[in-house]
Amino acid sequence: EPEVTQTPSHQVTQMGQEVILRCVPISNHLYFYWYRQILGQKVEFLVSFYNNEISEKSEIFDDQFSVERPDGSNFTLKIRSTKLEDSAMYFCASSEWGLGSTDTQYFGPGTRLTVL
Amino acid sequence: QKEVEQNSGPLSVPEGAIASLNCTYSDRGSQSFFWYRQYSGKSPELIMFIYSNGDKEDGRFTAQLNKASQYVSLLIRDSQPSDSATYLCAPSGGGADGLTFGKGTHLIIQP
Repeated sequence: EPEVTQTPSHQVTQMGQEVILRCVPISNHLYFYWYRQILGQKVEFLVSFYNNEISEKSEIFDDQFSVERPDGSNFTLKIRSTKLEDSAMYFCASSEWGLGSTDTQYFGPGTRLTVL
Repeated sequence: QKEVEQNSGPLSVPEGAIASLNCTYSDRGSQSFFWYRQYSGKSPELIMFIYSNGDKEDGRFTAQLNKASQYVSLLIRDSQPSDSATYLCAPSGGGADGLTFGKGTHLIIQP
């Protein structure tokens, strides 16, 4: 069964460093998303991406964040200058289409980002 | 703005009993909902999608939607210890809309 994959599973970085989190969405899906979950808190939407551009973003997704689809399979989230409060689990998700049950978002296993 | 409210629990249910999880939402325009299950340290996993008023059954799971009362619920019959997890409901926005999750209900099935 197709699934969303994410690398790395765990990333440790120093405050102020740039990190890139990688995702491979399900191959026939058209919509891609990033979410984050700070330990003990709810899953929060960051950004959605469709047709090679950002469709929607939350207040969390500020200028420190960027997303890119550098090729036909990968979808990346870049954090330019990490802060301690960026420590969280980051989930990538994808959905097939925008109608009815086909907008079901399937989540990857996540990347745990630890900022020291 | 879409908001969902769930009792964070923990909700403790004996093995074999019915677990009832509830979710209320603020946006009257929300037409359909997802229920996700999240094990500790893992990603959300889809359990059910419901878009019509009434009940939808899938195995041991039944989702109920009442749009007039802005209420969606999930029943788990014959609860198993493996059902112990946090259950998240989210209105479906369609397409590029991000999902708005509540804090979820932490369910514990006691053997």
